Amino acid sequence: QKEVEQNSGPLSVPEGAIASLNCTYSDRVSQSFFWYRQYSGKSPELIMSIYSNGDKEDGRFTAQLNKASQYVSLLIRDSQPSDSATYLCAVNIGNSNYQLIWGAGTKLIIKP
Amino acid sequence: ETGVTQTPRHLVMGMTNKKSLKCEQHLGHNAMYWYKQSAKKPLELMFVYSLEERVENNSVPSRFSPECPNSSHLFLHLHTLQPEDSALYLCASSSGYGTGGGEQYFGPGTRLTVT
Repeated sequence: QKEVEQNSGPLSVPEGAIASLNCTYSDRVSQSFFWYRQYSGKSPELIMSIYSNGDKEDGRFTAQLNKASQYVSLLIRDSQPSDSATYLCAVNIGNSNYQLIWGAGTKLIIKP
Repeated sequence: ETGVTQTPRHLVMGMTNKKSLKCEQHLGHNAMYWYKQSAKKPLELMFVYSLEERVENNSVPSRFSPECPNSSHLFLHLHTLQPEDSALYLCASSSGYGTGGGEQYFGPGTRLTVT
């Protein structure tokens, strides 16, 4: 059974601090890794994708991938109250460009 | 219209009704998806179509019937649903090819309540 694990939270972070979200996955063959943000009552929105080991930065967001340890993380710098949402980690199955396994999400709360 | 659209946004139906959910993507993508999202559970992939051919069908009950007439439109026909089918139904699309081909873009969803 291929799985993606995330801490459900809630993760509470003060405004302006760095929020760190983690995700582990079981399929060693996975090549594509995604972070989605989902506000309450809304649909998931893609915020980062990463395909190679190391860091990928986009504005205040940094995705980190370590295939040897099978984890992917998302750092949010200078956290804002508008970052409060559930963050979903998704990983492709094997070589598929269609099948993603989804984590249940981590709820992030940014405290003003 | 831009991105991925879904109609209706909210639907209440009885267990004996027949209804359809509609999805349209304006991104020029080749693949379209139906997902079910229930509270506190991971997204469940229901169906995947690539170039109008179904490529995945994850053991979904026959009371859910997908239809993909072309690469821009996707339907989910519903009949004889159960109360446990109440959930948020999400449509997504992706290009399906090359690096970035697996990036999926979601519509706003249909909140379905079965009474």
